[in-house]
Amino acid sequence: NAGVTQTPKFRILKIGQSMTLQCTQDMNHNYMYWYRQDPGMGLKLIYYSVGAGITDKGEVPNGYNVSRSTTEDFPLRLELAAPSQTSVYFCASSYSGQIRSYEQYFGPGTRLTVT
Amino acid sequence: RKEVEQDPGPFNVPEGATVAFNCTYSNSASQSFFWYRQDCRKEPKLLMSVYSSGNEDGRFTAQLNRASQYISLLIRDSKLSDSATYLCVVSGRGNSGGYQKVTFGTGTKLQVIP
Repeated sequence: NAGVTQTPKFRILKIGQSMTLQCTQDMNHNYMYWYRQDPGMGLKLIYYSVGAGITDKGEVPNGYNVSRSTTEDFPLRLELAAPSQTSVYFCASSYSGQIRSYEQYFGPGTRLTVT
Repeated sequence: RKEVEQDPGPFNVPEGATVAFNCTYSNSASQSFFWYRQDCRKEPKLLMSVYSSGNEDGRFTAQLNRASQYISLLIRDSKLSDSATYLCVVSGRGNSGGYQKVTFGTGTKLQVIP
């Protein structure tokens, strides 16, 4: 059981480039989330998904896109990277049910620098 | 008012001390409550869920006060390895539909000193 995995671990992008951050979970969780965390700051929700085919915006969605075609995968797409998107990106998943609902499990993060 | 508020700290305590963190939340309809721990440059990890009756896990005790809308975390006999940032998390119905909105506090930093 790998839990939540994220790739890549690190990436440096030039301004205007695009990339996709990958996230996969093997716990059959229906909820998945993308957060960003700037140095010394708290987590900010970018997008979330309540199940395959259903996504919605979080607190800071501008400059990002997501898709959820399967239960396991929730990629985050950055279009036209800007220095303000330099951050650590965490993917998380959780289960909604009677037991242990909404306990989030996080991936190890992707450290992104845009220069 | 922030949805979830925590004292940012840092709390500097000697080894063996007891330390308590409080967290307040604004949505009275919140349903689920958690404490997470985040080490420097690492992902947050679930420490414990907080139940209405309060719960204990070894040296850690979590309590919920729904009337006053706050959650607490007590750490007894602090260890050097307890040094981390502790995040309060609250979950409840979102405004636009039936989804479950999860809100993280900004965290309280704990430094346990030898």
